Amino acid sequence: AQSVTQLDSHVSVSEGTPVLLRCNYSSSYSPSLFWYVQHPNKGLQLLLKYTSAATLVKGINGFEAEFKKSETSFHLTKPSAHMSDAAEYFCVVHSGGYNKLIFGAGTRLAVHP
Amino acid sequence: NAGVTQTPKFQVLKTGQSMTLQCAQDMNHNSMYWYRQDPGMGLRLIYYSASEGTTDKGEVPNGYNVSRLNKREFSLRLESAAPSQTSVYFCASSQTSGFSYEQYFGPGTRLTVT
Repeated sequence: AQSVTQLDSHVSVSEGTPVLLRCNYSSSYSPSLFWYVQHPNKGLQLLLKYTSAATLVKGINGFEAEFKKSETSFHLTKPSAHMSDAAEYFCVVHSGGYNKLIFGAGTRLAVHP
Repeated sequence: NAGVTQTPKFQVLKTGQSMTLQCAQDMNHNSMYWYRQDPGMGLRLIYYSASEGTTDKGEVPNGYNVSRLNKREFSLRLESAAPSQTSVYFCASSQTSGFSYEQYFGPGTRLTVT
């Protein structure tokens, strides 16, 4: 069965410093992985996706994630945080069932001036 | 192109009341989904519809029913609301061909059951 674990429920950074949001997955086959972002009182927006092409995936707003099969990880990074990055971030794995997605519990990112 | 729309945005119900949440998409997607979001639990799948005319249970279907009215519309019904159904409900849609599997989400319905 597929599952995903987000290792931090809250991350706090200063504006201009790097962001690292950690995600480990479990999958019995080569997975499709996603990061979604949810700003307060909004729906979810796709940041980036991995579907067995390049292991380093670039997304919107300067975010990227690296798929590491040996570590079963798909961590999200950004070199320099912006105040507008404050949001909740979800790591998601395709379940292998009929186009069903399995969501992590989420990481709330706070960005301080 | 509005994407995925949901109505209403907010709703307060008393225990035992019924209501229907509406969802529509204009992206010509085959598949549609209903999720609930609770604090610290991410999103959990309630029901999904792989294509027009089909529906299937997800992870947490108890207390809910769905209708895929046509390709555009997918509704979620609470027949007898309970406080445990207080949550934020999201509708999503996706194209089913190819390998992308990405889903597009509506803005959500915030439901409180008292």
